[in-house]
Amino acid sequence: QQPVQSPQAVILREGEDAVINCSSSKALYSVHWYRQKHGEAPVFLMILLKGGEQKGHEKISASFNEKKQQSSLYLTASQLSYSGTYFCGTGSANSGYALNFGKGTSLLVTP
Amino acid sequence: GAGVSQSPRYKVAKRGQDVALRCDPISGHVSLFWYQQALGQGPEFLTYFQNEAQLDKSGLPSDRFFAERPEGSVSTLKIQRTQQEDSAVYLCASSISGRPLEQYFGPGTRLTVT
Repeated sequence: QQPVQSPQAVILREGEDAVINCSSSKALYSVHWYRQKHGEAPVFLMILLKGGEQKGHEKISASFNEKKQQSSLYLTASQLSYSGTYFCGTGSANSGYALNFGKGTSLLVTP
Repeated sequence: GAGVSQSPRYKVAKRGQDVALRCDPISGHVSLFWYQQALGQGPEFLTYFQNEAQLDKSGLPSDRFFAERPEGSVSTLKIQRTQQEDSAVYLCASSISGRPLEQYFGPGTRLTVT
């Protein structure tokens, strides 16, 4: 079952914050976040393996609520380079190696 | 450092032709994955290798799709008798082990079937 991402698209001004959500109807083993720019490969951002785990990288962090089967990606003080499409990929305990990706959230950061 | 590479980057095939897409994973990576990405969509899982063993091919859309990794490094995705609905970007990803660790993607091959 494909995870559902929200919002589908968001436009920010440089310096603003954004939250991207990812929810699944199936129990999750892992959540992986990627950013993809047009015509390029998806770039790995972070992986969350435990319920309640929060990871961070500079001004991008994420949380994983195993009970609610949800993950959220937090972008603070956005930069122009953050523009792109963000995908969450979910892994289940049965097939933790194969990722099931959402349809993506398009993020545009403007000057 | 060297990442995942794929060739060709672009391929145009006439309907009915066979195509072969190549993936060179990161050196030492045990796991290799193929995904198909349609325009405006997220990647969809096709198949997975651990070394030379194809452990899951449940995502392959039809028996026209075939993947191999004979020596546990380079992989080839072959599509026989291509159809228009096969047009997509085919992404390859590799991971250091069979555990659900981060997967690193290649730039993809954009296949257009005319």
